[in-house]
Amino acid sequence: AQKVTQAQTEISVVEKEDVTLDCVYETRDTTYYLFWYKQPPSGELVFLIRRNSFDEQNEISGRYSWNFQKSTSSFNFTITASQVVDSAVYFCALSEPTGNQFYFGTGTSLTVIP
Amino acid sequence: DAMVIQNPRYQVTQFGKPVTLSCSQTLNHNVMYWYQQKSSQAPKLLFHYYDKDFNNEADTPDNFQSRRPNTSFCFLDIRSPGLGDAAMYLCATSSLRGAGAEQFFGPGTRLTVL
Repeated sequence: AQKVTQAQTEISVVEKEDVTLDCVYETRDTTYYLFWYKQPPSGELVFLIRRNSFDEQNEISGRYSWNFQKSTSSFNFTITASQVVDSAVYFCALSEPTGNQFYFGTGTSLTVIP
Repeated sequence: DAMVIQNPRYQVTQFGKPVTLSCSQTLNHNVMYWYQQKSSQAPKLLFHYYDKDFNNEADTPDNFQSRRPNTSFCFLDIRSPGLGDAAMYLCATSSLRGAGAEQFFGPGTRLTVL
């Protein structure tokens, strides 16, 4: 079963628009960790955020914000006032205590049009 | 800057001709991972090392092998590359094994098989 679902395959927005990338996860563990990574065209996965399952506080970092809702098993990512440099593939990932790997979603390709 | 380095960035090989991809890290992390990422797909974990302890994922083909001669270096050997092995290969490191440990990724090696 897919543990992390990113239903949006591709999104295009015009520069300065806000955009939300959806992530829905599935786990039976009460302790788990959620991540977002950015993969620009250069290929390197860049860490954006880690959230543990006991911390439901939303987080804001500059133009980025994350909304973690355990009730809906979602960990959505919003970019405010998008810029061309935000164009990339964004991956949501889940890590469980019993495993040694990340369960990556299939990624959302974001294109910001100038 | 501490980082994860992968060489070469682009590798071309012929069908059936062995190829080795390399990864080095200056982070002094205990854990090193190899992922395979095909076009428009999520990274897929092939195996990881926890220090010298090698851990193979159940569905990783025997065609893929790895070596970790010391903490800093890890190699991915593809013994007889097939056309289906063309992909981006990502190396990652983490200081801990298991949930919650952020993984730091290298820029990847894009492998082409002719």
